[in-house]
Amino acid sequence: EVQLVESGGGLVQPGGSLRLSCAASGFMFSSYWMGWARQAPGKGLEWVANIKEDGNEKYYVDSVKGRFTISRTNAKKSLYLQMNSLRDEDTAVYYCARTDISGCLDYWGQGTLVTVSS
Amino acid sequence: QSVLTQPPSVSAAPGQKVTISCSGSSSNIGNNYASWYQQLPGTAPKLLIYENNKRPSGIPDRFSGSKSGTSATLAITGLQTGDEADYYCGTWHGSLSAYVFGTGTKVTVL
Repeated sequence: EVQLVESGGGLVQPGGSLRLSCAASGFMFSSYWMGWARQAPGKGLEWVANIKEDGNEKYYVDSVKGRFTISRTNAKKSLYLQMNSLRDEDTAVYYCARTDISGCLDYWGQGTLVTVSS
Repeated sequence: QSVLTQPPSVSAAPGQKVTISCSGSSSNIGNNYASWYQQLPGTAPKLLIYENNKRPSGIPDRFSGSKSGTSATLAITGLQTGDEADYYCGTWHGSLSAYVFGTGTKVTVL
């Protein structure tokens, strides 16, 4: 059974940093693109970033470029999102998701809440 | 502001059919597969349709997808109270080099 479990969310002040982690199990992690999506309170889904199987190709939504970094450690079956220079508008539930070969996000974690507030 | 446009809400009685449209462009749906996601209240999204019209294992055939040109459509037949949720389309946007979601549609069973 595919499982994705996020951790690392919490309350952080504007301008601060936070690192999210996603532990994967139940599939060959090193064979899949992985990504992050988020959902602000009461709002729709927003894709944040994704990373190729070997970590050598990464894409980001414009609003986080230069502030967020996606990475992975295949030996630990783990995905990360380093978030720097956080803003109020980054407040959201962040989801880890596996990306299928067709590009869709076929499995999602339960999400971790990030709150940016002073 | 999303580049994929969906109606904010649709509704129908139990047993009836609803359709949800997702309007895009040649930079996204027109040249890439469309997917659909269901988000039940208080839960994480779940993949409902991939590659325009394919259902993952476990998704009932009451849910179907189609694509024509730069638009995609999700149809739900035999509507049930358990189908009350938010539905999002999604696809890769080539010129943005980013995945994009639709604006979302709330389905209400009357």
